[in-house]
Amino acid sequence: DTGVSQDPRHKITKRGQNVTFRCDPISEHNRLYWYRQTLGQGPEFLTYFQNEAQLEKSRLLSDRFSAERPKGSFSTLEIQRTEQGDSAMYLCASSLGQTSTDTQYFGPGTRLTVL
Amino acid sequence: GNSVTQMEGPVTLSEEAFLTINCTYTATGYPSLFWYVQYPGEGLQLLLKATKADDKGSNKGFEATYRKETTSFHLEKGSVQVSDSAVYFCARRNSGNTPLVFGKGTRLSVIA
Repeated sequence: DTGVSQDPRHKITKRGQNVTFRCDPISEHNRLYWYRQTLGQGPEFLTYFQNEAQLEKSRLLSDRFSAERPKGSFSTLEIQRTEQGDSAMYLCASSLGQTSTDTQYFGPGTRLTVL
Repeated sequence: GNSVTQMEGPVTLSEEAFLTINCTYTATGYPSLFWYVQYPGEGLQLLLKATKADDKGSNKGFEATYRKETTSFHLEKGSVQVSDSAVYFCARRNSGNTPLVFGKGTRLSVIA
C-alpha cells in the first residue's frame, strides 16, 4: 500500500521564479487537499479537489497560485513569481471522500525555500 | 470564528510521566476532532479521532475524549516514552468532508 507521495521533497528557488510541485494521492482516493505549513504553525488549508473538480480555494491562495488535478489522479500546485513569503512546507493529503469521517492521509511535503 | 487552540510547547517530560496536551475548539455544528502527530523528519500521521460527542479516540496508549460541553479534546497518555517525542497537532473538521483546521502544534520532548 503506497501512501501519498510528493515531488520534489525540497526546492530552492530565487525570488521571481516559478515552481511546480506534484502530489500523487493514494490510489482510488477521490479527495485531494493542499495545505501550507510555516515554521511553528499548524498546516493551513489552501485548496481541495473532488476528483478533477476544484471545490474550494482559501483566501491564502493568491492569484500567483494555481492548482490542477486534470485526470482526477495526481495534482500539481504552481506558484508563479515566487516571493520570500512563499517559503514553507507544502503538504498534500488525500481521502476516500465517501463519508464525513474519512481520514486524510498526508504526504511527506515539499519544502520550498525562496531566496 | 472556527479555530483550534492548543497549549503552547515545548513540553518536556521524563520517561513514564503522565502527559496532557490541552485542545479546545470553536466550530459551528458538530465537528469531527483529530490528533495528528509529526515525528522528526516524517510527515503528519493520524494518531486518533472522534466524530461525535462523548466519543473516545485511542491509539498507541494515547486517548482523547470529545467533550461538547467544554468544546475540548485533550490528549492524554499515562506513561510517555522517548519514542513519543514529536509535534502533536489538534484539528477539527466541520460536517462533510471539508478541510481540516489545525492548531499550532505542541512539541513534546521525552527524556530518559
